[in-house]
Amino acid sequence: EVQLLESGGDLVQPGGSLRLSCAASGFTFSTYAMSWVRQAPGKGLEWVSAISSSGGSTSYADSVKGRFTISRDKSKSTLYLQMNSLRAEDTAVYYCARFSSNYYVYVPLDYWGQGTLVTVSS
Amino acid sequence: IQMTQSPSSLSASVGDRVTITCRASQGISDYLAWFQQKPGKVPKLLIYGASTLQSGVPSRFTGSGSGTDFTLTISSLQPEDVATYYCQKYNSAPLTFGGGTKVEIK
Repeated sequence: EVQLLESGGDLVQPGGSLRLSCAASGFTFSTYAMSWVRQAPGKGLEWVSAISSSGGSTSYADSVKGRFTISRDKSKSTLYLQMNSLRAEDTAVYYCARFSSNYYVYVPLDYWGQGTLVTVSS
Repeated sequence: IQMTQSPSSLSASVGDRVTITCRASQGISDYLAWFQQKPGKVPKLLIYGASTLQSGVPSRFTGSGSGTDFTLTISSLQPEDVATYYCQKYNSAPLTFGGGTKVEIK
């Protein structure tokens, strides 16, 4: 059974940093591209970032480019999102999701984690 | 590329046929997915490739369209279909979502 378990969400001050983790199990992590998607309270879904199965290719939404970094550790079957220079508008539930293949275009997101809440406030 | 869904919300009776529209500002071929998010739950993939039903999804859900105009249809609305539905393009990054359509029971 595919499982994605996010952690690392917290209350952080504006300008601060946070690293989210997503532990994957039930599939061969190194052969699937992965993504982060966020949802602000009461709002819709916003795609944040994606990474290929090898980690050699990444992509970001304009709203987080230059502030967030996606990465992955094959040995730990874990996806990360390093978030710097956080703003109030980054407050959201952050979901980890798996693409159905090794690259992040031309294939859909087929499994999602339960999400972790990031709150940016002073 | 912008993804525009309509309506933003709708209310229908059990057994009604419900149609949700998603329009892309540029052509995306059939690289479109539909997700269902029930209240307080995680989004779930319903349809990909514009019209292919994900395994386990009831057959009352159908998707159609190609290029810029897409439709999600629920042939006979059930109480368990109360949710917000999102379209998403995945032909190229950014992998933009539509704004969502909230479906309620009248």
